[in-house]
Amino acid sequence: QKEVEQDPGPLSVPEGAIVSLNCTYSNSAFQYFMWYRQYSRKGPELLMYTYSSGNKEDGRFTAQVDKSSKYISLFIRDSQPSDSATYLCASPDSWGKLQFGAGTQVVVTP
Amino acid sequence: GAVVSQHPSWVICKSGTSVKIECRSLDFQATTMFWYRQFPKQSLMLMATSNEGSKATYEQGVEKDKFLINHASLTLSTLTVTSAHPEDSSFYICSARKLAGVYNEQFFGPGTRLTVL
Repeated sequence: QKEVEQDPGPLSVPEGAIVSLNCTYSNSAFQYFMWYRQYSRKGPELLMYTYSSGNKEDGRFTAQVDKSSKYISLFIRDSQPSDSATYLCASPDSWGKLQFGAGTQVVVTP
Repeated sequence: GAVVSQHPSWVICKSGTSVKIECRSLDFQATTMFWYRQFPKQSLMLMATSNEGSKATYEQGVEKDKFLINHASLTLSTLTVTSAHPEDSSFYICSARKLAGVYNEQFFGPGTRLTVL
C-alpha cells in the first residue's frame, strides 16, 4: 500500500468552476505536505507547501491539511484552461524522500 | 527563486551507447539531489538519492552500474545511463533540495526525454 493515495482522475471541470483535489496519507510521521503541478512533458512545479493543520491560501489556490484524519486538499478557484495539468500531492518521509500520490489529471474545458 | 536546469532536454541515442544527463541548481546550493524516472501517465519513481561528495543511494531494483550518478558539487549532479537499451527510454527528472530549506522543499528540473533506438 502506498503511503500517499490520490485518485488519478481524470477530473474534468468547466472554466470558472472550483477544482477540488485531495489525498490521504497513512504515515503519522509526515509533517510537511506539498502540492506540485506538472504539465505534460515537463518537470513538476511546486505550487504550495503546508505544515500545520488548517488552510493556506495563495492567490487562487488554497491548500488544506487535516492531520487528525490524514487528509490533504487543494482547491483551485476560478479555474482556467491553463490549469489543465496533473496535480501531485507529496510529503517527505523521515529520509527526506518525497512520497508522491499517483497524481490527478485535471482538464478545464473552455 | 529556486531554479533547476537539466541538459539535454531531449536525447536520442543508439542502443549500446551511454548518455549523460546534467542537473544543475542555478540559484541555490543543494545538499541533496534526487533522480526520478517517469513513464507516460504514471507518477514519478525515485531512482536514487545523491549527496554532494558521497556515493549515491539507489532505490531497490535500480541497477547502480547501469545508472551512474555523480554529485561533484553543491550545484551539479549527473546521471549517466550506460549501455542504453530501448527499455531505458523514459522521462528522467532531477530535483534538488535547498541547503537551508525549512520544509525540505524539492525543486524539480524540466526533465530529459531519452529515446533509445
